[in-house]
Amino acid sequence: GAGVSQSPSNKVTEKGKDVELRCDPISGHTALYWYRQRLGQGLEFLIYFQGNSAPDKSGLPSDRFSAERTGESVSTLTIQRTQQEDSAVYLCASSLRYSLPEAFFGQGTRLTVV
Amino acid sequence: DAKTTQPPSMDCAEGRAANLPCNHSTISGNEYVYWYRQIHSQGPQYIIHGLKNNETNEMASLIITEDRKSSTLILPHATLRDTAVYYCIVRTGSGNTPLVFGKGTRLSVIA
Repeated sequence: GAGVSQSPSNKVTEKGKDVELRCDPISGHTALYWYRQRLGQGLEFLIYFQGNSAPDKSGLPSDRFSAERTGESVSTLTIQRTQQEDSAVYLCASSLRYSLPEAFFGQGTRLTVV
Repeated sequence: DAKTTQPPSMDCAEGRAANLPCNHSTISGNEYVYWYRQIHSQGPQYIIHGLKNNETNEMASLIITEDRKSSTLILPHATLRDTAVYYCIVRTGSGNTPLVFGKGTRLSVIA
């Protein structure tokens, strides 16, 4: 595709419900990254994938968060039993290879937990 | 933790050069300096990166001091569309660590 695509662009969910956020990276990009940005704050690194593998999951805030990637393409970030503090913009980025300096970001998914 | 220190905010007059400083006094020999920016309500955008030599592209110039402990991003002719948060990031060239964003500098370009 032309760029990194994230869906949905906005999501409002009730506290305690599970949500899935989707990221479609640029075709052929082997590296994929998830970040979280709370209102007025900087970007918080969550997890990255090299191919379909996530070498380091230590950035995930709690065991309610999980992510997977299939076919070295689409990735899904799942948040179980959402809490109000999960409200944020979730940003996905991809790069051709993990070592390359230029990562392309999507527009993000704005998650609001009410 | 971010390895860089940036001023929280700066103003620049439209058409003038914007010089954004970054301190990275603990940078090691194999670490590059990267700059990204984030315009309001958008995802971050890559600007430029360098190791020790000065770099220039169509967006900006990157000046790195000889001791590599600090650098300056220069937008030669700032426009209103350059208003954004600018992030200076230090990372190894081999990419064994992800991009870690600090708080950045909020640049306001004023007409």
